Formats: sequence, C-alpha cells, structure tokens
Amino acid sequence: DIVMTQTPLSLSVTPGQPASISCKSSQSLLHSDGKTYLYWYLQKPGQPPQLLIYEVSNRFSGVPDRFSGSGSGTDFTLKISRVEAEDVGVYYCMQIIELPPTFGQGTKLEIK
Amino acid sequence: QVQLVQSGAEVKKPGASVKVSCKASGYTFTNYGMHWVRQAPGQRLEWMGWINTGNGNTKYSQKFQGRVTITRDTSASTAYMELSSLRSEDTAVYYCARGRAMDVWGQGTTVTVSS
Repeated sequence: DIVMTQTPLSLSVTPGQPASISCKSSQSLLHSDGKTYLYWYLQKPGQPPQLLIYEVSNRFSGVPDRFSGSGSGTDFTLKISRVEAEDVGVYYCMQIIELPPTFGQGTKLEIK
Repeated sequence: QVQLVQSGAEVKKPGASVKVSCKASGYTFTNYGMHWVRQAPGQRLEWMGWINTGNGNTKYSQKFQGRVTITRDTSASTAYMELSSLRSEDTAVYYCARGRAMDVWGQGTTVTVSS
C-alpha cells in the first residue's frame, strides 16, 4: 500500500497568518493518464471530512480561494494564505492512484 | 442538494454483524461509485471497500477481506456495508463517500462493539 506522511502533525496559527501542510507519498501519484491523484480534506470537529482540493491543485466547489494546493510526484503542499477561525480541524491528504486509497495521519490546525 | 444519509448508531456484541446503509439523493446514484471509510477513535481514516453502483462490482481492502460485504439497491439509491465477526477494534465511525474524489460524505454511523 502507498504510505502517506504528513507534517507537521499539529500547528497553531494566529488568525490572518498563513499555514502550510506537507504530504509525502511513498511512490509517485502521477498516473499514466497524466493526472495526479492527490486530494486534500478538512474534517471539522464532529463532522465528516469535506473535500477541499482534488488532483493536487483544483479547489472543490465552494472552497475559499485562500486554500491552494501544489506539488508533483511524491511531494505535495496545502497552503492557507490567511487562516480564519472556521479553518480549525484536521487536514488529511489522500491518494487514490491505486487501491486501496490511503490517507495521511492528519494535521490538526488550531487557532492561537 | 446532493447528500448521503446514513443509518443510525449501532451497539453490537463481539462476534455479531452490523449493516450500515447510505441513502443517496440529489444525483443519479448509478453514475458514481461509493466508498466506505472508517475512523477508529484517534486514528486516521481507513478505506474499507468500494462498489460500482452501476454493475455491483466490488473491491475490498485486504484487511477486511472475508468480513466485509458491500451491496447496493439501485431502486432505493442506497448502498450498504455489512461487517461481520465484530471485535472491539471495530468500534469506529463508518462513512460512505461518493466517487473517486470522495466529494460527498455521509454524516457517519457510530458502531460500538462491546460485551
């Protein structure tokens, strides 16, 4: 199975400041179809995960433009340009280039 | 709007089975596959399996092979996940999630396994 490793596991950010989360995969997520199957989710307290970013850098419908994704191959980053109070929760990266889909261990974002 | 509504919380004894339902609305059910993902307390999300809602084909995680069965009823736009031979380590929140991108999730079903 592909192993997904996130860093850091937690971060505390002042509102209005940026935040960045790294996700590394144990093998390349670039498919022969040219797409890279790396996704980002946010799980707010007491809620199911919600899709933020698909295929590395595409914001899902309704996701604020302060969220951005980048990367290629095995190294990926989620950035929040200006953290807001509503961004608290646990962020997960996920790969689905092959079965089984696997998730990172999660990064917990707190507000200072 | 597009939504997935899951069945309610369950409490089961070790060795029993549980069947969780996931009713889809707001889109054509057979146009998207359905994943099942679970989250044990304090653990990361864990994929259990997937069903092609169009033809019923399934794929399962090796970890759950032999214990999990995913089915669907297209007339009811509902997917089901049954887990057998329950043990305490199966205590978790179980989610259904739509399509490759898992772009829509059910609200989760808490399954507690306790004697």
